[in-house]
Amino acid sequence: GENVEQHPSTLSVQEGDSAVIKCTYSDSASNYFPWYKQELGKRPQLIIDIRSNVGEKKDQRIAVTLNKTAKHFSLHITETQPEDSAVYFCAPRGSNFGNEKLTFGTGTRLTIIP
Amino acid sequence: SQTIHQWPATLVQPVGSPLSLECTVEGTSNPNLYWYRQAAGRGLQLLFYSVGIGQISSEVPQNLSASRPQDRQFILSSKKLLLSDSGFYLCAWSRPPSQGGHGYTFGSGTRLTVV
Repeated sequence: GENVEQHPSTLSVQEGDSAVIKCTYSDSASNYFPWYKQELGKRPQLIIDIRSNVGEKKDQRIAVTLNKTAKHFSLHITETQPEDSAVYFCAPRGSNFGNEKLTFGTGTRLTIIP
Repeated sequence: SQTIHQWPATLVQPVGSPLSLECTVEGTSNPNLYWYRQAAGRGLQLLFYSVGIGQISSEVPQNLSASRPQDRQFILSSKKLLLSDSGFYLCAWSRPPSQGGHGYTFGSGTRLTVV
């Protein structure tokens, strides 16, 4: 199965600064790379994703970059705001054909300091 | 549009009692369905997934079982709860890859406390 690691496990940044979370995976055939945000006591929600045929995708203040050679992808949040405080999970999809089972990372707790 | 419903939102059950959590999806057909458990402050552990009626795959051996009696209904059950079954249970759905599916949409979750 897919081995997924996320770093760092916790991250604190000043409001307005940038935050970067990195996810490494093991399955070289992985082809879909999403990031989920989970606020305290709530469900995880998809915030951005990228397919294996592109290297970067941006949506306003968040972006995801993919390095397939090195088998890692990263979440970038710029101009951080208090509402960005949450736990973030990466969830690459391996090559198990016929099933789009995602393997979630262990999560990164991001705290934005006002 | 598609919606996913999960209930109950919270549940307190004594050790040894049975469990039934239900999840339904609306607005789509033949979804892939998943049950996850999240211990307090921890990550998401996949328990079961289903690609069709009556088709259940178990990811980890445990005290739980799952069933899919209808296309858009997924049920998580236990005959006798253990203290270690406490956690936040999340149902999720996705479209199959053949229908262009990629990410998951999660239900609102059930917080189970076994006492």
